[in-house]
Amino acid sequence: GAVVSQHPSWVICKSGTSVKIECRSLDFQATTMFWYRQFPKQSLMLMATSNEGSKATYEQGVEKDKFLINHASLTLSTLTVTSAHPEDSSFYICSAFGTSGRETQYFGPGTRLLVL
Amino acid sequence: SQQGEEDPQALSIQEGENATMNCSYKTSINNLQWYRQNSGRGLVHLILIRSNEREKHSGRLRVTLDTSKKSSSLLITASRAADTASYFCAPGYEIYNQGGKLIFGQGTELSVKP
Repeated sequence: GAVVSQHPSWVICKSGTSVKIECRSLDFQATTMFWYRQFPKQSLMLMATSNEGSKATYEQGVEKDKFLINHASLTLSTLTVTSAHPEDSSFYICSAFGTSGRETQYFGPGTRLLVL
Repeated sequence: SQQGEEDPQALSIQEGENATMNCSYKTSINNLQWYRQNSGRGLVHLILIRSNEREKHSGRLRVTLDTSKKSSSLLITASRAADTASYFCAPGYEIYNQGGKLIFGQGTELSVKP
């Protein structure tokens, strides 16, 4: 398997502020990571694919200027929610392929964001 | 649609009973994965079955795949209260150069009563 961590696990912020969420692969290198968002009682929605050393690929309908993704190293991808608003409150989860190939994705524990 | 659709949406059983969840998809796949999500947590990978496999076992889990019907099932035998969670299937379309991204359906919410 492979371990993916996220930090912070939860965050509360005021409307208009920016929040950075980190996703780390702890025991392997991840050239590709994925960011998902999940609203209560709903499924995970893929937001973007984070590629090490290049620009992220965003899914249709996801604002790339609002959700900034940086994948500066092989073990770290960050998602920054800029000028957060209450409607951005959600559960954000990242995932990465393990070292066994590009089949199984390993998920982080998630970050719960509450924007007041 | 690239996502899998789980059925039923919700399932409530008694501890010790078996739980069966189904997944349907619409286009050809390279593999299919099942994940579990406990409330407020990330997803835990349960099992991956490839398109050339028909059945796979892992502990109390049994997964079947019928590519002609474009469907898969997850069977949990002798369920426990700790199995209470949401279960998602994720068809994998790597061979179509989808970049490995997974699209999730609504999941099956399993409740195992002690």
